[in-house]
Amino acid sequence: DIQMTQSPSTLSASVGDRVTITCRATESISRWLAWFQQKPGIAPKLLIYKASTLESGVPLRFSGSGSGTEFTLTISSLQPDDAATYYCQQYNSYAPKRFGQGTKVEIK
Amino acid sequence: QVQLVQSGAEVQKPGSSVKVSCKTSGGALTTHPISWVRQAPGQGLEWVGGIIPIFGTPKYAQKFQGRVTLTTDESTSTAYMEISSLTSDDTAVYYCATDNPVKGALDYWGQGTLVTVSS
Repeated sequence: DIQMTQSPSTLSASVGDRVTITCRATESISRWLAWFQQKPGIAPKLLIYKASTLESGVPLRFSGSGSGTEFTLTISSLQPDDAATYYCQQYNSYAPKRFGQGTKVEIK
Repeated sequence: QVQLVQSGAEVQKPGSSVKVSCKTSGGALTTHPISWVRQAPGQGLEWVGGIIPIFGTPKYAQKFQGRVTLTTDESTSTAYMEISSLTSDDTAVYYCATDNPVKGALDYWGQGTLVTVSS
């Protein structure tokens, strides 16, 4: 089974900082990678799909890149509302859809 | 407008079963598979399984195979997840979500259902 590993597990940054989260797959998943944002007590929200396509309504400061086994989520200018936990997920229509373990983003 | 509304919180005893519902609107059940995801307290997200409506073909994560049953009722646009032989490790929030194969992502989510297993 494909495993997904995110890094770092936690990061603390200031408002306005550029923030990058990495997600690695144990084997190639082409560009079948999604990113979610989750705030406490609320369902996850889709941010990016197919590695780099921004979901409708998501602020342009969020971007995704990568293919194969290595992917990144970037927040170009961190805002207070971005404090949350971010998850990557590999997508396969016919097999288990594994999540990364999550990255908690804190505002300094 | 796609919406998924889940049933309310449950408290169940170890060894019993629980059935969580996910009522869809906006045509979700006729157009997309439904996935179920769980989140134990303070933990990350874990895919439980998914089902393709109409065809009724479920697929489960290996650890849930044999203990989780996913079904759909197209007449009421509702998806169901039943878990049997509950243990305290099953205490979690369970989410349903539409599985969009074009996007390659779970794009619409229910609000979550807390299942607590306690004697």
